[in-house]
Amino acid sequence: GENVEQHPSTLSVQEGDSAVIKCTYSDSASNYFPWYKQELGKRPQLIIDIRSNVGEKKDQRIAVTLNKTAKHFSLHITETQPEDSAVYFCAASSSASKIIFGSGTRLSIRP
Amino acid sequence: DTGVSQDPRHKITKRGQNVTFRCDPISEHNRLYWYRQTLGQGPEFLTYFQNEAQLEKSRLLSDRFSAERPKGSFSTLEIQRTEQGDSAMYLCATTERQLTNEQFFGPGTRLTVL
Repeated sequence: GENVEQHPSTLSVQEGDSAVIKCTYSDSASNYFPWYKQELGKRPQLIIDIRSNVGEKKDQRIAVTLNKTAKHFSLHITETQPEDSAVYFCAASSSASKIIFGSGTRLSIRP
Repeated sequence: DTGVSQDPRHKITKRGQNVTFRCDPISEHNRLYWYRQTLGQGPEFLTYFQNEAQLEKSRLLSDRFSAERPKGSFSTLEIQRTEQGDSAMYLCATTERQLTNEQFFGPGTRLTVL
């Protein structure tokens, strides 16, 4: 069945350093890969997304890469700041249907 | 507030009772999704609608769960004979399919079954 695996489950980095979260997906039909940030007690918020016809996308300190052949995609956050602390979810979807979420990465930024 | 809204925000019920949640989508968003999120996990897909048509249901959605979107606008999710394992955050998300795949989430309804 459809599955998205996410690693690591927890990540602690020094403020100013980079953070990388990696995901793999199983459904070859997946063509849309959003990343969501969820702060404690709040709703998931889209921070960046990438489509299958693009290998990389960047938005200020956040970048995502996609390797369709290997079914891998990653989130990179550079120059991390305290407000980046949250749970991050990768996800995969095909043709505007349901989103399959990973299990989440709890990112902590050490001052 | 023009975002997705959900009501109630919190619900505490006793095992065996029925509960109903409501989701109001962003205006003109024709796709509406229900997810369930338990502590420490990502949201799990339950079901989705395009306008009033229910297009897919997860096998997670037992026969105690039913969802409707009668006029293609707001949606309701009902859980009958609640069990302690139903305790979770129930999230609604909507999208305007023609423009983007992006799903906008509501604040969720936190259900606690005692």
